[in-house]
Amino acid sequence: EVQLVESGGGLVKPGGSLRLSCAASGFTFSNAWMSWVRQAPGKGLEWVGRIKSKTDGGTTDYAAPVKGRFTISRDDSKNTLYLQMNSLKTEDTAVYYCTTEGSSWYFDYWGQGTLVTVSS
Amino acid sequence: QSALTQPASVSGSPGQSITISCTGTSSDVGGYNYVSWYQQHPGKAPKLMIYEVSNRPSGVSNRFSGSKSGNTASLTISGLQAEDEADYYCSSYTSSSTLGVFGGGTKLTVL
Repeated sequence: EVQLVESGGGLVKPGGSLRLSCAASGFTFSNAWMSWVRQAPGKGLEWVGRIKSKTDGGTTDYAAPVKGRFTISRDDSKNTLYLQMNSLKTEDTAVYYCTTEGSSWYFDYWGQGTLVTVSS
Repeated sequence: QSALTQPASVSGSPGQSITISCTGTSSDVGGYNYVSWYQQHPGKAPKLMIYEVSNRPSGVSNRFSGSKSGNTASLTISGLQAEDEADYYCSSYTSSSTLGVFGGGTKLTVL
């Protein structure tokens, strides 16, 4: 059974940093493309960014609102995905979901999400 | 404002069929067969219901179907059941630098 478990969310002040983790199990993590998707309170879904598998180059892509501030990385030896968030803004407040990404832009498995609140 | 346009709400009675539209442009919905749909119950994570416009993942009821015409994709739910009451989001790959976009979501109410 595929499981994705996010952790690391919490309350942080504007301008601060936070690192989210996503522990994966039940599939071959090293072969998977992984994405982060967020959802602000009461709002819709927003793609944040992704990382390809190392065999596909291991490259990253980001949505415009987070480019230059967020960094996605992976540790295939630990089956873990990371999201390093710097220079946080109040508008980054959201539940952050870790997802697997299919071959043609779809997100087939989702974690339960972790809440990040950016507030002074 | 979301890049893909969905109606804010739709409703239907048990047993009926409903359709949710998702309108984009030739740079996203109209340009690629990479449209997916997600169901989200309150307080839960989204669940993939349709991918590549009309494909259903294993385990998803065949009451859910997807289609596309031009720049508009559609999700149809037939034989509505109470458990279908949820928010539904469409998503599409896009040729813009953002790579992908979501719709604003549609709240389905089963009367």
